Amino acid sequence: DAGVIQSPRHEVTEMGQEVTLRCKPISGHNSLFWYRQTMMRGLELLIYFNNNVPIDDSGMPEDRFSAKMPNASFSTLKIQPSEPRDSAVYFCASSSRGGVSYNEQFFGPGTRLTVL
Amino acid sequence: AQSVAQPEDQVNVAEGNPLTVKCTYSVSGNPYLFWYVQYPNRGLQFLLKYITGDNLVKGSYGFEAEFNKSQTSFHLKKPSALVSDSALYFCAVRDSMISGNTGKLIFGQGTTLQVKP
Repeated sequence: DAGVIQSPRHEVTEMGQEVTLRCKPISGHNSLFWYRQTMMRGLELLIYFNNNVPIDDSGMPEDRFSAKMPNASFSTLKIQPSEPRDSAVYFCASSSRGGVSYNEQFFGPGTRLTVL
Repeated sequence: AQSVAQPEDQVNVAEGNPLTVKCTYSVSGNPYLFWYVQYPNRGLQFLLKYITGDNLVKGSYGFEAEFNKSQTSFHLKKPSALVSDSALYFCAVRDSMISGNTGKLIFGQGTTLQVKP
């Protein structure tokens, strides 16, 4: 298996632009998680989906952030408009029966976002 | 609310010496505990987990962790450190499914392990 796939790996954009991050979870996994990692705040869970349905979005910072999971093999995290404080590494992770089980999460390589 | 604490920002050990990375937790109900490792410019990788059973849990790369209920700790250990073990280590606890919580993982702030030759 190729593991969790994220694209792009690096994104540099200007303040005010729309940014879309993409994630393909491991085939067969039915839970998907979006995290943000910064030096100041550490690793933060933004949102997670179970069977394509958002279960917990309490970590989404504000209305500028939105996430979708139209099918079991694809998810997007969109920031519109982007701001410099959004600069971070964004990770996608997937697991099988994540929310109600004890299975480990598998992380993608991350997208390093820089907003100028 | 569930929480996990890693009291050390950094741990330094010499290669060949035993290492310990500390983690304490606070949960309501039974704890489900995890350790992850992050190498530079990589995503987190699962090392081991405690769900139930033996208090000493063995995981990947020779790591193990000891669950101590009375001390509410889940310290990560390795008998002999390698330079290649140098990385950022995260302890995590699964959020409770009661009281409206959703069972997500709650991560500690991470501990940087530096193993010197």
